[in-house]
Amino acid sequence: NAGVTQTPKFQVLKTGQSMTLQCAQDMNHEYMSWYRQDPGMGLRLIHYSVGAGITDQGEVPNGYNVSRSTTEDFPLRLLSAAPSQTSVYFCASSWAIGTGGGYEQYFGPGTRLTVT
Amino acid sequence: AQSVTQLDSQVPVFEEAPVELRCNYSSSVSVYLFWYVQYPNQGLQLLLKYLSGSTLVKGINGFEAEFNKSQTSFHLRKPSVHISDTAEYFCAVSGQGGSEKLVFGKGTKLTVNP
Repeated sequence: NAGVTQTPKFQVLKTGQSMTLQCAQDMNHEYMSWYRQDPGMGLRLIHYSVGAGITDQGEVPNGYNVSRSTTEDFPLRLLSAAPSQTSVYFCASSWAIGTGGGYEQYFGPGTRLTVT
Repeated sequence: AQSVTQLDSQVPVFEEAPVELRCNYSSSVSVYLFWYVQYPNQGLQLLLKYLSGSTLVKGINGFEAEFNKSQTSFHLRKPSVHISDTAEYFCAVSGQGGSEKLVFGKGTKLTVNP
């Protein structure tokens, strides 16, 4: 199993550009989520999905869009990039929402995004 | 809602010394507790978790943590650290309800010096 994969690994955008961060998992997990990691802030939840066709907002959703058309894929779209979105983005998946049931979240390797 | 406080943002120690990384949480419901580790330029991986039962939980790489309900703490310990333990460590909490999401602390950067 590849686990959770993310592409690209690095990306530089200009302010106002849009892009999609890709995330895929091959573990048949129902729950997938996107976090951003900033120095001294820990991980903050952007959006999450409890299954195909179902998504919801996390703590910091503004400026981001998601959809979940298949169990495997959960792309994150930046609609109009801003310097405040410079961050490292992690996708994660697990058997159940959050960890209700105490399920482990599996993380991808991250995408390092810089917006100039 | 749950919240997590990691009391130290940075912890420097010498190789073979013991270490304790502190984590306190607040919650109005019963919780599950987790420690994740992030090595440089990598994603997070699970070190250990507390679901129920014994309050002393053993994880990978010789780490262990003790759940203390009265003090709402879940401190991580290792009796003798190695250079390879240099990483950032995150404590996380989730309520035991089926729809509870995971909330992370801000992280503790452990640096093991020779």
